[in-house]
Amino acid sequence: GQNIDQPTEMTATEGAIVQINCTYQTSGFNGLFWYQQHAGEAPTFLSYNVLDGLEEKGRFSSFLSRSKGYSYLLLKELQMKDSASYLCAVRKNTGFQKLVFGTGTRLLVSP
Amino acid sequence: GAVVSQHPSWVICKSGTSVKIECRSLDFQATTMFWYRQFPKQSLMLMATSNEGSKATYEQGVEKDKFLINHASLTLSTLTVTSAHPEDSSFYICSARDTASYEQYFGPGTRLTVT
Repeated sequence: GQNIDQPTEMTATEGAIVQINCTYQTSGFNGLFWYQQHAGEAPTFLSYNVLDGLEEKGRFSSFLSRSKGYSYLLLKELQMKDSASYLCAVRKNTGFQKLVFGTGTRLLVSP
Repeated sequence: GAVVSQHPSWVICKSGTSVKIECRSLDFQATTMFWYRQFPKQSLMLMATSNEGSKATYEQGVEKDKFLINHASLTLSTLTVTSAHPEDSSFYICSARDTASYEQYFGPGTRLTVT
């Protein structure tokens, strides 16, 4: 089985930096994804890590430590439109390479 | 970019009836598609993996006779919720894996309400 945990909710102010953590325990790890999801919409891809280290993409960065079963998503220069749910997902190294999602973090950005 | 569509986008049905949801990859072939369910304020839960030309693989706790999956072509998978009950009301999201690139793309979701 697998446990993929995230904080339930976070709040931050516009212009600030926020870090959303994700811890996982899973067999057959083959990469970790971060998605953004606005209410009533499908998830949209943000980042992907398969090796340890930091991946930077504009205002968003994602970090992975496989030995610790830990990842984080860093959002800089927060904007109101960043208010959304953020989901980490682990890809399993099985025949189907399925994605298993974490519990999700609702982020509220205030003025 | 790659597009995945779902139809319908929302549906209301009466308890005891069946509802079919379609998932299509519009500009790529998808040997494998995934079906997820999402309850309000919760994350996505994988229900099953759909493979073209073979039986779907269901996650533990998901009733295969209640959630019928058919993946008859490389661009279409369907999920049929049989004998729907109010507790089946949820947001159903599919994703399709591009057979060539292995990238996975999500559909826009289908909101099912059972009355």
